[in-house]
Amino acid sequence: QVQLVESGGGLVKPGGSLRLSCAASGFTFSDYYMSWIRQAPGKGLEWVSYISSSGSTIYYADSVKGRFTISRDNAKNSLYLQMNSLRAEDTAVYYCARSVGDVWGQGTTVTVSS
Amino acid sequence: QSALTQPASVSGSPGQSITISCTGTSSDVGGYNYVSWYQQHPGKAPKLMIYDVSNRPSGVSNRFSGSKSGNTASLTISGLQAEDEADYYCSSYTSSSTFWVFGGGTKLTVL
Repeated sequence: QVQLVESGGGLVKPGGSLRLSCAASGFTFSDYYMSWIRQAPGKGLEWVSYISSSGSTIYYADSVKGRFTISRDNAKNSLYLQMNSLRAEDTAVYYCARSVGDVWGQGTTVTVSS
Repeated sequence: QSALTQPASVSGSPGQSITISCTGTSSDVGGYNYVSWYQQHPGKAPKLMIYDVSNRPSGVSNRFSGSKSGNTASLTISGLQAEDEADYYCSSYTSSSTFWVFGGGTKLTVL
C-alpha cells in the first residue's frame, strides 16, 4: 500500500546536525513533489520545505533557510532533510508528505536540547 | 503567528453542522484555488480531508465540504459525529517565497 516512513530523528545538542530520511513505497515516487512539515510539541503544523518531483525546484520556510537542505533520490524512493545548526525551536515531530498532503508518514521526533 | 487565521476552537452537538473559517490574503487563499484542509487526532499524523478548495479525496465522508469566498476559505462538517472531534488545519499555496502556509489550527469539540 501507499506508505511513507520517516527515520533519523533523535536527541541532539544545540548547534548539532541530523539527517532525516523518508522512505516511500506503493507509488511512483518520482512522479510526485514532496514536502517536510513539522509540529512542535502542543503546537500547530509548520511547513518546512518542498522539493519538486525531479528535485530541480526547492523552497524553504524562512525559519530554516540556510540551515536545512532538502534532497531526494528517486532511484531509492527516498526523501531527505539535512538539518544543521539546530536550535531548541527546531524541536518537533517531522513529517514527510506527498504532494498536497494526501499521504503522510507517521513522523519522526527531533529534540534539540543540551 | 501563523500565516492563515483560524478560530482556536469551535464546538457543536452530534447531528449539527459547524463551519471553520480560514482567512488569508490575496497572495494565498484569495489568489489561488489551492486550499486544503486536514484533520488530526491526538498523537496521529494529519489526514487530508479537502483539497483544491472543495474536492474530497476518495474515502472521505461527504459530510465534509469546502468552499471559498475572497480571502476566506471554509470547512463545513454536517451531521457531526463523535469521531469528528479533532484538530483541523487549513493550508494554502502562497506566491510568497514560503510556497505553502498553514493556519494555526482549530480544535473541534463535539459536545
